[in-house]
Amino acid sequence: NAGVMQNPRHLVRRRGQEARLRCSPMKGHSHVYWYRQLPEEGLKFMVYLQKENIIDESGMPKERFSAEFPKEGPSILRIQQVVRGDSAAYFCASSPGGQPQHFGDGTRLSIL
Amino acid sequence: RKEVEQDPGPFNVPEGATVAFNCTYSNSASQSFFWYRQDCRKEPKLLMSVYSSGNEDGRFTAQLNRASQYISLLIRDSKLSDSATYLCVVNPSSGAGSYQLTFGKGTKLSVIP
Repeated sequence: NAGVMQNPRHLVRRRGQEARLRCSPMKGHSHVYWYRQLPEEGLKFMVYLQKENIIDESGMPKERFSAEFPKEGPSILRIQQVVRGDSAAYFCASSPGGQPQHFGDGTRLSIL
Repeated sequence: RKEVEQDPGPFNVPEGATVAFNCTYSNSASQSFFWYRQDCRKEPKLLMSVYSSGNEDGRFTAQLNRASQYISLLIRDSKLSDSATYLCVVNPSSGAGSYQLTFGKGTKLSVIP
């Protein structure tokens, strides 16, 4: 009974490159949420998706960040032209709808 | 005022001690409340939901005071394995945005042998 799966666990990128973070929700869960945790900060909501739909992206930076959850395959959080300030832990959570949300073990993104 | 505020600690307590964490939230319309724990460089894991009537799960007791917008977590008979950061988490509303969890920065607990 696999939990929320995220990969990669660690990702290193140089400034200006693209970062792609993947998240497979728990079996039976069709709701996916992305959160970002900056060093010494609490988790901040970024985006909420259901299959093929973005429900709420109010927490996403307006530029360079995008998310999708296609009909087949994992949810993808994409960061274009990364900058040092994008260094953080990115957590994905899933639920069957409503609460509680179950979290994956995160992707730690480091920008050189 | 921050949306969810917690004492960052650290709380250093001996094994067997009782320790209490407090949390306040700013949005009086908040509907549901949780405590998560997060081990170093790991994901948040749900510890327990918090109900108005108060609830207990083994050594853990959670309380909610809606009038004061205050949540607490009590850990009795602390174990070394309780060492972690405890996150106070609030679901801000029941309508639109009811899926957005708002996290406190966490309170760090170290249980010492």
